[in-house]
Amino acid sequence: AQSVTQPDIHITVSEGASLELRCNYSYGATPYLFWYVQSPGQGLQLLLKYFSGDTLVQGIKGFEAEFKRSQSSFNLRKPSVHWSDAAEYFCAVGARSGGSNYKLTFGKGTLLTVNP
Amino acid sequence: DTEVTQTPKHLVMGMTNKKSLKCEQHMGHRAMYWYKQKAKKPPELMFVYSYEKLSINESVPSRFSPECPNSSLLNLHLHALQPEDSALYLCASSQDRQGYYGYTFGSGTRLTVV
Repeated sequence: AQSVTQPDIHITVSEGASLELRCNYSYGATPYLFWYVQSPGQGLQLLLKYFSGDTLVQGIKGFEAEFKRSQSSFNLRKPSVHWSDAAEYFCAVGARSGGSNYKLTFGKGTLLTVNP
Repeated sequence: DTEVTQTPKHLVMGMTNKKSLKCEQHMGHRAMYWYKQKAKKPPELMFVYSYEKLSINESVPSRFSPECPNSSLLNLHLHALQPEDSALYLCASSQDRQGYYGYTFGSGTRLTVV
C-alpha cells in the first residue's frame, strides 16, 4: 500500500524568504504525486502534479516541486514566500489500490506560518 | 465550469436526524469521491464512485450512505450520526479513476453533530 510522509508538522518562515516543504512517498512503482494547499475551513487547491517526464514541475502561485526517484521524494519549493502563502500544505500520492481502483492518499500536512 | 459545488456549507444535526450532503460538478468528470477531514488532520477517503458505480468503500459505518444519481451529482445521506462524526466533509472529482489529470475538490460541508 502507498504512504506519504511529511516530516515537518509546522514551519515558520519570514516573508520574502525561500521555502522548501519535504515529502517522501512509499510505493512499488512510480506514483502520481500531488501538492495541495488548504486555507482554514476551506477545500483543497491543487498546486501542481507529477506523473512522468520532466522531474521539475512548475505549479501555480510560483511553486515548483522536484521528483527524485532515488530518494522517493517530491519536495515543494518557492523562492520567495508571501504572507498569503500561510496555509496547510498536503502532499498526496495517487496509486493503484486493488484491482482497477486508484486511491489518493494524503500526508499529515505541513502548517506554514509566514512572519512579516 | 471548473468547480465542485457542495451544499450546504454548514450543517448542525442531532443524533436522531436524517440529513443529506450534496455535491455537484459539470466538468464531465467520471469519478467522484467523499472524504472526511477532522481538525488538523489530512483528508481520509470514504467512498469512490467510478462511472456512477461504487468502486471503493473504505469500511465506512452504515450510518453514512452514498448515492450517485447521475454523472454530475453525488450525495451523502446521514442518519443516526455520533458526535465524533463532526468534521469537514469534502467532495472531489477527477476526469478518470486514475486521477491522471488531478482531483478537483469542493470547499466542503462543515458538519456538527449535537
